[in-house]
Amino acid sequence: AQSVSQHNHHVILSEAASLELGCNYSYGGTVNLFWYVQYPGQHLQLLLKYFSGDPLVKGIKGFEAEFIKSKFSFNLRKPSVQWSDTAEYFCAVVNSGTYKYIFGTGTRLKVLA
Amino acid sequence: DGGITQSPKYLFRKEGQNVTLSCEQNLNHDAMYWYRQDPGQGLRLIYYSQIVNDFQKGDIAEGYSVSREKKESFPLTVTSAQKNPTAFYLCASSEQGYIQYFGAGTRLSVL
Repeated sequence: AQSVSQHNHHVILSEAASLELGCNYSYGGTVNLFWYVQYPGQHLQLLLKYFSGDPLVKGIKGFEAEFIKSKFSFNLRKPSVQWSDTAEYFCAVVNSGTYKYIFGTGTRLKVLA
Repeated sequence: DGGITQSPKYLFRKEGQNVTLSCEQNLNHDAMYWYRQDPGQGLRLIYYSQIVNDFQKGDIAEGYSVSREKKESFPLTVTSAQKNPTAFYLCASSEQGYIQYFGAGTRLSVL
């Protein structure tokens, strides 16, 4: 069965620290990849996406992610986090041409001011 | 103002009772989804619908039912057969394989 693994469940960082959240998926076909973010009390919203082309994609608020096909990975990065990045982050995958999305279990990030 | 509207925001269920969560979208998306969010478990798919009058079970469909009579609407019924209904429920819509847009969610609790 298809699955998405997020290995970091809770991450605590100080402001200005660098962030990398891991995401691995278990599907060999063509996939579309997403990172969503859920800020406290807000809707789940798109952070960035990868469909094709340049494997390094940039999203909102200085986030970026790199798709490494050989490693089935789509890790999220930010060079310098801010207190306002405190949120829960979800990686998601969908097989291109289908409708069923698979989400990871999420990573709770807390940034200390 | 386009988006996904879920109601109610909070819902309480008594033992043996069925409750229905509403989800409406005005994004003209073909596909709609229901997810259950529990702490540490991410989003788990309950049901999804690719088109009006058609829907498929997700990974945790037992104890839930849905209908899709209109493109804009995809209500979820939590039946009395669902023994652990307390959770945060999220509705979403999308085009095939594209970005999903989420509602604000409904928090269901058992009295």
